[in-house]
Amino acid sequence: GENVEQHPSTLSVQEGDSAVIKCTYSDSASNYFPWYKQELGKRPQLIIDIRSNVGEKKDQRIAVTLNKTAKHFSLHITETQPEDSAVYFCAAGDNTNAGKSTFGDGTTLTVKP
Amino acid sequence: ETGVTQSPTHLIKTRGQQVTLRCSSQSGHNTVSWYQQALGQGPQFIFQYYREEENGRGNFPPRFSGLQFPNYSSELNVNALELDDSALYLCASSPGTGGINTQYFGPGTRLTVL
Repeated sequence: GENVEQHPSTLSVQEGDSAVIKCTYSDSASNYFPWYKQELGKRPQLIIDIRSNVGEKKDQRIAVTLNKTAKHFSLHITETQPEDSAVYFCAAGDNTNAGKSTFGDGTTLTVKP
Repeated sequence: ETGVTQSPTHLIKTRGQQVTLRCSSQSGHNTVSWYQQALGQGPQFIFQYYREEENGRGNFPPRFSGLQFPNYSSELNVNALELDDSALYLCASSPGTGGINTQYFGPGTRLTVL
């Protein structure tokens, strides 16, 4: 089955700096790569996703890049703000069925004011 | 805020007992997935229900079972509870298989097994 590894497990940045979180996956059949943000005690929320037919997607301060050959994808957050502090999860799966995604173990991002 | 709801929010059980967790999917969604999230880990896929049928299962033993009802709400049942079953159980609904879709999570049920 699919195996997703996520790095780093913790990341601390100063407000205004950029943050990068990286994930690798094992199953070359995976073609859907969502990223979720989970604040303490709350549900995971989708913040951005990418399908395998594109290499990059951007939404305001958040961007995701995908390298299918190397089987890795990354989340980039620019101009970080304290409210970006949370646990971020990457996942890999099938773009026709997001509900069967395999998740990484998460990155705890702390943005210091 | 999404329309996926779960009950109860917290539950304490003892080893060997049985538990039922409930999930109401977002309006218009016919697919429900269940995940187990242990402390400090990412959600792990338990199984998925699509139009009242199981549609895929992760690496969980048969004592984890489920149901989906005609209104697409769902239940997760766990028999013979073990200490390692202590976790946050999340359900997520999505519009259905086929085509591009995303899933929306409920708030979770925190299960503690003593």
